[in-house]
Amino acid sequence: TQLLEQSPQFLSIQEGENLTVYCNSSSVFSSLQWYRQEPGEGPVLLVTVVTGGEVKKLKRLTFQFGDARKDSSLHITAAQPGDTGLYLCAGATYGGSQGNLIFGKGTKLSVKP
Amino acid sequence: DAMVIQNPRYQVTQFGKPVTLSCSQTLNHNVMYWYQQKSSQAPKLLFHYYDKDFNNEADTPDNFQSRRPNTSFCFLDIRSPGLGDAAMYLCATSRDRGQLEAFFGQGTRLTVV
Repeated sequence: TQLLEQSPQFLSIQEGENLTVYCNSSSVFSSLQWYRQEPGEGPVLLVTVVTGGEVKKLKRLTFQFGDARKDSSLHITAAQPGDTGLYLCAGATYGGSQGNLIFGKGTKLSVKP
Repeated sequence: DAMVIQNPRYQVTQFGKPVTLSCSQTLNHNVMYWYQQKSSQAPKLLFHYYDKDFNNEADTPDNFQSRRPNTSFCFLDIRSPGLGDAAMYLCATSRDRGQLEAFFGQGTRLTVV
């Protein structure tokens, strides 16, 4: 069974602080996606990383895919209250003609003003 | 403009009374998914359609059925809802099997009374 472990599960910080969220697995993924979900809403895709070692930046968010394509991290610089939400990582695998998207349990981030 | 639309946003149903949730998409994507998400948990895949091909997850209860009459629409039928089926139900699409970036609707919050 493929599993994606996210840590920490909960994170409460003050506005302006930096933070890093981790997503780890023993499985290799073809790609890995990060989503952000606000309460009562569906997840919104933030980024997809495909190549081992790849780093992508989205304003204050920096995403990294591990060299072995088994893990990823999300770093937020100078967090703002608007960053509050549930951050989900999802790993994509392909077997034959089928694809599968496996979600981690998420990191619930709260940024206080 | 919303590209994956779920109706209704909130649904209250009685224990044992059949209920249908609907999802429509304007992206013309081949793949449509239904996920169940309970509080503080990751989305759990119930089933997905690749075009008209239905793919059921092994642990999805028989109580859950789905229909996809055309590319744009997909329905989730719960034949006899139990209290444990109360959850957020998320519909998502992806362009193709080999492109697993998922675009989610806003979800339907199901309450069973």
